[in-house]
Amino acid sequence: EAGVAQSPRYKIIEKRQSVAFWCNPISGHATLYWYQQILGQGPKLLIQFQNNGVVDDSQLPKDRFSAERLKGVDSTLKIQPAKLEDSAVYLCASSSQGMTEAFFGQGTRLTVV
Amino acid sequence: DQQVKQNSPSLSVQEGRISILNCDYTNSMFDYFLWYKKYPAEGPTFLISISSIKDKNEDGRFTVFLNKSAKHLSLHIVPSQPGDSAVYFCAAIWSNDYKLSFGAGTTVTVRA
Repeated sequence: EAGVAQSPRYKIIEKRQSVAFWCNPISGHATLYWYQQILGQGPKLLIQFQNNGVVDDSQLPKDRFSAERLKGVDSTLKIQPAKLEDSAVYLCASSSQGMTEAFFGQGTRLTVV
Repeated sequence: DQQVKQNSPSLSVQEGRISILNCDYTNSMFDYFLWYKKYPAEGPTFLISISSIKDKNEDGRFTVFLNKSAKHLSLHIVPSQPGDSAVYFCAAIWSNDYKLSFGAGTTVTVRA
């Protein structure tokens, strides 16, 4: 079974630029999560999708972050414009409906300079 | 609002000895608890979990204990091996929304 795929693995951008991350969850997994992990901290949930609907986006900075999950499969997370404090690892995870265990991708390490 | 707390940022243990990682939570609605392990440059991988209706779950060298009244859980690794050196995250979930909340992590170093 293929795991959660994320791209790119690394990205360096200047502040005020825009960036997009892509996630392909495990086939058949209805729930998809985007987490932000700042160095030395635990992953913080940004947004949770159930199929293509948003379950929770209460911690997503909506003035600069946006996410979509078209057709309930792949998802993209966008930051526009980026700030220095957005430097972090962005993790995508997915889980099967009703399952508590989530599977994570390798993450995208974003550096904003 | 940190609902899951891991107060020990690091732990160093000798190979062959027991590693004990602690985790506290504040939300009494959590009904499932998980431990994830993370190596550098990789995503977290699931290690072991426990339902709130149990007080212990064992899987090989890994055992998780849950004390609901104290809102506390711990992960025991016996015996510790060099490959166990990683960051361990405690996570909790409420089955009503399946939103995973993570602690800040504990970095375990197993010394030869």
